Amino acid sequence: GAVVSQHPSRVICKSGTSVKIECRSLDFQATTMFWYRQFPKQSLMLMATSNEGSKATYEQGVEKDKFLINHASLTLSTLTVTSAHPEDSSFYICSARAGASNQPQHFGDGTRLSIL
Amino acid sequence: AQSVSQHNHHVILSEAASLELGCNYSYGGTVNLFWYVQYPGQHLQLLLKYFSGDPLVKGIKGFEAEFIKSKFSFNLRKPSVQWSDTAEYFCAVIMGGTSYGKLTFGQGTILTVHP
Repeated sequence: GAVVSQHPSRVICKSGTSVKIECRSLDFQATTMFWYRQFPKQSLMLMATSNEGSKATYEQGVEKDKFLINHASLTLSTLTVTSAHPEDSSFYICSARAGASNQPQHFGDGTRLSIL
Repeated sequence: AQSVSQHNHHVILSEAASLELGCNYSYGGTVNLFWYVQYPGQHLQLLLKYFSGDPLVKGIKGFEAEFIKSKFSFNLRKPSVQWSDTAEYFCAVIMGGTSYGKLTFGQGTILTVHP
């Protein structure tokens, strides 16, 4: 149980392209979803938190116009990297949580984004 | 700033050796504590969690962790590791009062177990 599917697993695209990453909770309803970024040899850094039907809450230093998050349903959240540039190349990971704020998060497999 | 620190970046052990991975956090209030594991090529999986009660928590695959409030620590232990425990281990903390219960992760510890 508690499976989170993230798609695509890898994206390679040209600079200036916008890229959408999907995160789905397959067997539970995710009231809250989280988007993380992981740089090589570093830990996961939270980018934003989204609750279904609400605007995402972004962490300090994360550009909300650059990283658009939509959480339109209890099973789907999307992260769109707009006008991506090489410095946006990274590993993006989503997680989903059902219920109370102290419940565990369940993670997707991540998306490797490479901008040429 | 609130942070989580894992002391060892890379630990190398032989099978049957005992394991202890350190985790400390900097926050004086209520915390919820987690250890996640990431096997090569896989997503993060929950090993164990602490919310309240007995500070010694048992998780899956023979892992346990002890919450020592006075030391702001939540170290992960396993008495006898196996080759299949080779993975990266992340300590994560929800620090009380944070909206939406966001996790703060440590830097991760890579564990390599030689057969």
